[in-house]
Amino acid sequence: DQQVKQNSPSLSVQEGRISILNCDYTNSMFDYFLWYKKYPAEGPTFLISISSIKDKNEDGRFTVFLNKSAKHLSLHIVPSQPGDSAVYFCAAISSGSARQLTFGSGTQLTVLP
Amino acid sequence: DTEVTQTPKHLVMGMTNKKSLKCEQHMGHRAMYWYKQKAKKPPELMFVYSYEKLSINESVPSRFSPECPNSSLLNLHLHALQPEDSALYLCASSQWDRNTGELFFGEGSRLTVL
Repeated sequence: DQQVKQNSPSLSVQEGRISILNCDYTNSMFDYFLWYKKYPAEGPTFLISISSIKDKNEDGRFTVFLNKSAKHLSLHIVPSQPGDSAVYFCAAISSGSARQLTFGSGTQLTVLP
Repeated sequence: DTEVTQTPKHLVMGMTNKKSLKCEQHMGHRAMYWYKQKAKKPPELMFVYSYEKLSINESVPSRFSPECPNSSLLNLHLHALQPEDSALYLCASSQWDRNTGELFFGEGSRLTVL
């Protein structure tokens, strides 16, 4: 039972355009959401996060949107750059004492020059 | 210094071997983690150490044995593994009291069990 789902295993966009990566979740106890980026042969690195009390968080070219009623979040990258090509993992934390990350299966983003 | 370093980067072992994976961080983080990642799958949590004590074991088989000698070091001892245990093993750390999920990951140890 996947509680965090990334239904698109891959996405290709042209350099300079917007990349939109999507993530759906099923557990209504999740109250904090994160995006991690992973290059080959490296560990995941934290990119941006959002609390469930917000619907948007922006950091430079990266913006995360949260739609709690739809249990959906998305990561927007604008403008996309070739160096953004990586696997992007959506992750969530549920309220409660354990508070461990649940990861989605990842989306491979390829930004074409 | 914001690095989590893992050694070795690559390890090949037979099913009867005993080996260890090592992880080190010097960020003063009090929580350390082992994750397992298979190809095209998300990282799966194995163990969590908080203040050098094992706080979470996600029903991991006993052929994997974690150890936290001090707040900067985390080991994963491997014995009698199976070929299906071949995977990327990721170590991570975080400031436990923040509980915001902002883990710092190492580059991983790529394990192949023959």
